[in-house]
Amino acid sequence: DIQMTQSPSTLSASVGDRVTITCRASQSISSWLAWYQQKPGKAPKLLIYEASNLESEVPSRFSGSGSGTEFTLTIDSLQPDDFATYYCQQSNTYPLTFGGGTKVEIK
Amino acid sequence: QVQLVESGGGVVQPGRSLRLSCAASGFSFSRYGMHWVRQTPGKGLEWVAVIWYDGSNTFYTDSVEGRFAISRDNSKNTLYLQMNSLRAEDTAVYYCARDNGGFDLLGDIFDYWGQGTQVTVSS
Repeated sequence: DIQMTQSPSTLSASVGDRVTITCRASQSISSWLAWYQQKPGKAPKLLIYEASNLESEVPSRFSGSGSGTEFTLTIDSLQPDDFATYYCQQSNTYPLTFGGGTKVEIK
Repeated sequence: QVQLVESGGGVVQPGRSLRLSCAASGFSFSRYGMHWVRQTPGKGLEWVAVIWYDGSNTFYTDSVEGRFAISRDNSKNTLYLQMNSLRAEDTAVYYCARDNGGFDLLGDIFDYWGQGTQVTVSS
C-alpha cells in the first residue's frame, strides 16, 4: 500500500497568514493527489485534485503543487472559515489512501 | 443539488452483520462510480470500497476483503455496503462518496459525500 505522510500534524496560525501543508507519498504517484478540508462533525470537502486543480467554487486562496512523492497545499491569507483539518489522498493505486491529517488551529 | 444520505448504522455485536444504504439524488446516479470511506478518531480516514457505475467492477481495502460487499441498484439510485463478520476495528463513521469521474473514467477521488452513519461493533 502507498503510505501518505502529512506534516505538520497541527499548525497554529493567525488570520491573514500564509500556510503550507506538506504531504509525502511512499512511492511516486505522479500527480494523482487530492486535498480535502474537514470541519468537526462534517464530511470532508474536496478542495484540489490532480495535485494542482482547484475544485469548482473553492476560493482561489487555496492552491496545490507537487508531483512524484512530494506535494504541498498552500492557503494564502488564512480566513476564519479555513480553520479545519486538511487531508491528502492518493488516487494512483488501490487501495486509495489518505494522509493522517493536519489540523489548522487559531494562534 | 447532489445529495447522498446514508442509513443503516447502529450498534452490533462482533461477528454479526449490518447493511448500510446510501440514497442518491440530484445527479445521474447510474453514470458514476461510488465509494465507501470510513473514519475513526484513531485511524483517520480509510477508503473501504469502490463500485463501477454499472456494478461491473469492485475493489476493496484488504482489511474488509471477503467480509464486506459493495453493490448498487441503479433503478433505485441506491448504494449498499453489506458488512459481515464485523469486528471491533470496523467501528467507524461510514460515508458514501461519489467518484468525480463518470462512466469508466473513475478519478478515484470524492467530490460529494454523505453525512455519514455511525457503526459501532461492541458486545
